[in-house]
Amino acid sequence: AQTVTQSQPEMSVQEAETVTLSCTYDTSENNYYLFWYKQPPSRQMILVIRQEAYKQQNATENRFSVNFQKAAKSFSLKISDSQLGDTAMYFCAFMTFTSGTYKYIFGTGTRLKVLA
Amino acid sequence: KAGVTQTPRYLIKTRGQQVTLSCSPISGHRSVSWYQQTPGQGLQFLFEYFSETQRNKGNFPGRFSGRQFSNSRSEMNVSTLELGDSALYLCASELGGTYQETQYFGPGTRLLVL
Repeated sequence: AQTVTQSQPEMSVQEAETVTLSCTYDTSENNYYLFWYKQPPSRQMILVIRQEAYKQQNATENRFSVNFQKAAKSFSLKISDSQLGDTAMYFCAFMTFTSGTYKYIFGTGTRLKVLA
Repeated sequence: KAGVTQTPRYLIKTRGQQVTLSCSPISGHRSVSWYQQTPGQGLQFLFEYFSETQRNKGNFPGRFSGRQFSNSRSEMNVSTLELGDSALYLCASELGGTYQETQYFGPGTRLLVL
């Protein structure tokens, strides 16, 4: 069975500091996508960053970057220069597309609080 | 482009009633997925519709059903509501049909069952 594990239910970081959120997954698939989604309090879930499993280069989006370790099945998110607006629930997600159907599996989330 | 919209945003029902939630995807998107989000279980996949057909289904009882219309709008129905159905229901749309896509989420419908 495919699973996504976020082992840190809650984290906090000082404004302007760097924080890393961890995510591990388990799959026997070779081709898949990994995502980090952000859900601010009472607001819409939005995509932060995505990584194609066939790409060795780690994805980056401005202050957000990932450390993708395919062999270890690890996909951590690094937020640099944390801002108050980064306070949110962060979900790691895994997607496969096989035989005409796709499946998304989400982790249970990490609640990040950025402190002033 | 307008984002994914969901109506209603908030809903209060009593046990035993049924409810219908609506989701309008981003224009041009043909795939709509539904998720249930609860504090204890996180996000759980309900089902996905593509071109008016249910293409994928999660592990939810038959009380949860859905459909998609020719304009890609989707509805989700929950019959015989239970207290445990209280949750935020999210829909997400994507272009559909290819591998390299990203889901875009709506704001959700928060359902409270009393």
